[in-house]
Amino acid sequence: DVKVTQSSRYLVKRTGEKVFLECVQDMDHENMFWYRQDPGLGLRLIYFSYDVKMKEKGDIPEGYSVSREKKERFSLILESASTNQTSMYLCASSTGTTSGGGYTFGSGTRLTVV
Amino acid sequence: GQNIDQPTEMTATEGAIVQINCTYQTSGFNGLFWYQQHAGEAPTFLSYNVLDGLEEKGRFSSFLSRSKGYSYLLLKELQMKDSASYLCAVRDNDMRFGAGTRLTVKP
Repeated sequence: DVKVTQSSRYLVKRTGEKVFLECVQDMDHENMFWYRQDPGLGLRLIYFSYDVKMKEKGDIPEGYSVSREKKERFSLILESASTNQTSMYLCASSTGTTSGGGYTFGSGTRLTVV
Repeated sequence: GQNIDQPTEMTATEGAIVQINCTYQTSGFNGLFWYQQHAGEAPTFLSYNVLDGLEEKGRFSSFLSRSKGYSYLLLKELQMKDSASYLCAVRDNDMRFGAGTRLTVKP
């Protein structure tokens, strides 16, 4: 089974802190994604990556950056955390093909910024 | 723009059948997906449609009409454990999700 592991299940950070959310997948997937999920808004794409050292902005990249130095690891960085970044963050990975390439999600990180 | 619309909430009775509809308008199309998400957990993949028609997988079926920008997820013989949110998603270059339909199954 594909496994996507997010380093923390719950995090509490202070406003202005730099926050790192880590995601690792173990099935050699090319594609990795970061979403945030908020009630009534569904999943919104922050950043994605189709290859090592490659990154593309999603719908809501402001206030975030990413790093993909190795194929299996995709990190989301909150440069200066703010209270409006309190959310559930979900990492996902998929194969490079489009045929049936559903996403496998990590268990999520619930981040609270105080 | 890109829109994926589905009802916010639905309620059904154990043992019954429920249909969750999804309409979409996206710039591209490489498949439509349904995910199940229990409260506090990650979404899990349920089904995938890329051609028009019905795909059946046990108690769950998913239908797609590309010309109408329409899909539905059909759940038969509902069980209490089916209480969850169901997310419709369309793949273009990446995956776009609807806000989800929260299904409550009552005894």
